[in-house]
Amino acid sequence: QVQLVQSGAEMKKPGASVKVSCKASGYAFTGYYLHWVRQAPGQGPEWMGWINPNSGGTMYAQRFQGRVTMTRDTSLRTAYMELSSLRSDDTAVYYCAKGVGPSTRFDYWGQGTLVTVSS
Amino acid sequence: EIVMTQSPATLSVSPGDRATLSCRASQSVSRNLAWYQQTPGQAPRLLIYDASTRATSIPASFSGSGSGTEFTLTIHSLQSEDFAVYFCQQYDKWPLTFGGGTKVEI
Repeated sequence: QVQLVQSGAEMKKPGASVKVSCKASGYAFTGYYLHWVRQAPGQGPEWMGWINPNSGGTMYAQRFQGRVTMTRDTSLRTAYMELSSLRSDDTAVYYCAKGVGPSTRFDYWGQGTLVTVSS
Repeated sequence: EIVMTQSPATLSVSPGDRATLSCRASQSVSRNLAWYQQTPGQAPRLLIYDASTRATSIPASFSGSGSGTEFTLTIHSLQSEDFAVYFCQQYDKWPLTFGGGTKVEI
């Protein structure tokens, strides 16, 4: 069965960076785009961007341009999302989600990684 | 960016009732719309895509309709496990955007 397993919760200070991992199993890792979506407490989800695990190509939402980097390691079937220059309003649960393509719905989600930014 | 507006913010219903949730897009998204269900502490679960197609293993009690800018999710005969928050998401134009959610409560 399809599974996306993310790394554990992180606590960071303002200005720091965080890197979240997402290990995929149960499907052809390089056949489907992986998206990153975050959800602040009590808010709707917010799409951050995608990575094409086959080519390594990426697309980021404009508001995260310059602060986010998405990468993958095909040998480990793992995708990564790194967010830099953290602010308190980056406190959220970060999800990886499998998409059929670049512009799509998300049929499987990771369990989420809570990132807390606080001094 | 396309703004997705959901209404109502909270819907109070009883088990066995029918619930009707609305999602409005600030511009046409054709039928490129999905609905998700989220329970506390869990990731969203895909219910409906392409406005009206049920995802794998989703019961027929969930149905979606609409196109363009107006969409509806209907839950027929609410069960206890259906009390949750529901989000819509458009995937017609970048950036992909979600609504703020409707909480279905007893």
